[in-house]
Amino acid sequence: DVKVTQSSRYLVKRTGEKVFLECVQDMDHENMFWYRQDPGLGLRLIYFSYDVKMKEKGDIPEGYSVSREKKERFSLILESASTNQTSMYLCASRSTGTQVERRRETQYFGPGTRLLVL
Amino acid sequence: AQSVAQPEDQVNVAEGNPLTVKCTYSVSGNPYLFWYVQYPNRGLQFLLKYITGDNLVKGSYGFEAEFNKSQTSFHLKKPSALVSDSALYFCAVRDLSGGYNKLIFGAGTRLAVHP
Repeated sequence: DVKVTQSSRYLVKRTGEKVFLECVQDMDHENMFWYRQDPGLGLRLIYFSYDVKMKEKGDIPEGYSVSREKKERFSLILESASTNQTSMYLCASRSTGTQVERRRETQYFGPGTRLLVL
Repeated sequence: AQSVAQPEDQVNVAEGNPLTVKCTYSVSGNPYLFWYVQYPNRGLQFLLKYITGDNLVKGSYGFEAEFNKSQTSFHLKKPSALVSDSALYFCAVRDLSGGYNKLIFGAGTRLAVHP
């Protein structure tokens, strides 16, 4: 079955630190996504990647960057963490290839990283 | 612009009773609609989706959803709620703006099933 893993479940960082959040998927999916989840706001798309070394801004990219050097790994980088980046971060992946009906168009999510910036 | 709305922040239901979690959408073109569930301190799990075909879609854990084009709704339903169904539920719609295939999520509805 599809497995998406994230490097940390909980993370505490100080303001100004550089923070790396790692996401790995094992299904050879082309597309990968980073979201942040905040109460009452649902999930908001930060960045996404359609293939290796490709990246596109989502709805709230400010303060973030990403890296996709290998197909299975998509990293989210907070260049200088701020308290307003305290949130739950969720990674997802999706295949664009020919898929059986039950997997077509479906994004698969990792367990999330809860980040606290002090 | 594509959007999806979940009008209820929280839904309370007694165990054994039917449950409904509401979702309405606004899209241009044919909608692709999804429901995801999030249990405490976990990521999102896919429940079901509507792409084409039958308006009644069956998914995991006994959930189903009805696509209603005239009312632009995609409500999630279950005939008999379990306490273990208590979780946060998200509706999502496919967004093709900008030439990219993305999802737009609703704000989420917290379902509380009481014994």
